[in-house]
Amino acid sequence: EDQVTQSPEALRLQEGESSSLNCSYTVSGLRGLFWYRQDPGKGPEFLFTLYSAGEEKEKERLKATLTKKESFLHITAPKPEDSATYLCAVQAVGGSYIPTFGRGTSLIVHP
Amino acid sequence: GAVVSQHPSWVICKSGTSVKIECRSLDFQATTMFWYRQFPKQSLMLMATSNEGSKATYEQGVEKDKFLINHASLTLSTLTVTSAHPEDSSFYICSATSLGQPQHFGDGTRLSIL
Repeated sequence: EDQVTQSPEALRLQEGESSSLNCSYTVSGLRGLFWYRQDPGKGPEFLFTLYSAGEEKEKERLKATLTKKESFLHITAPKPEDSATYLCAVQAVGGSYIPTFGRGTSLIVHP
Repeated sequence: GAVVSQHPSWVICKSGTSVKIECRSLDFQATTMFWYRQFPKQSLMLMATSNEGSKATYEQGVEKDKFLINHASLTLSTLTVTSAHPEDSSFYICSATSLGQPQHFGDGTRLSIL
């Protein structure tokens, strides 16, 4: 059974204080790993897809990296508007395209 | 990026009423749409997977007669909560995808049953 574990559950940062969110996964074969951002009362917003170990993607202050067991979402010099819940999901090869989601990391960035 | 429209965004209705939620992919053809339920401060709970032109596949514990899903076209899926009761109150979110591409989500529907 595919499993996704995100840590920490919650993270408080001061504006400008860089940090990383972790997504550990167990999957029979990885088709893709996805990162989403979810604001309160909204649906998740797609950020990145990573397909193979060593791959990196960047968008503004966010950089996602991937190994064979985990992915990190690095946030550099965060701003209050980066406050949100960040969700990670994995999609396995073969069978259906149903991704498995982690429980998310709730990030609050204080000004 | 891809746009998925979900309507309505907020519904308040009396117990026993049936409520229909629409999910449309506006700029791509979605071979698969997903319906999720989300409780406060919890992650997404998959309810069902819907492929265009075929019956939806429901997750274990989700009543198919309670949550009717119709995926009539490559751009539209609907979820009808039949005879809704207070325990059905929740945040319902749809997503759309095509051929294993990332899911793109709607903005959700807040359903409150009085």
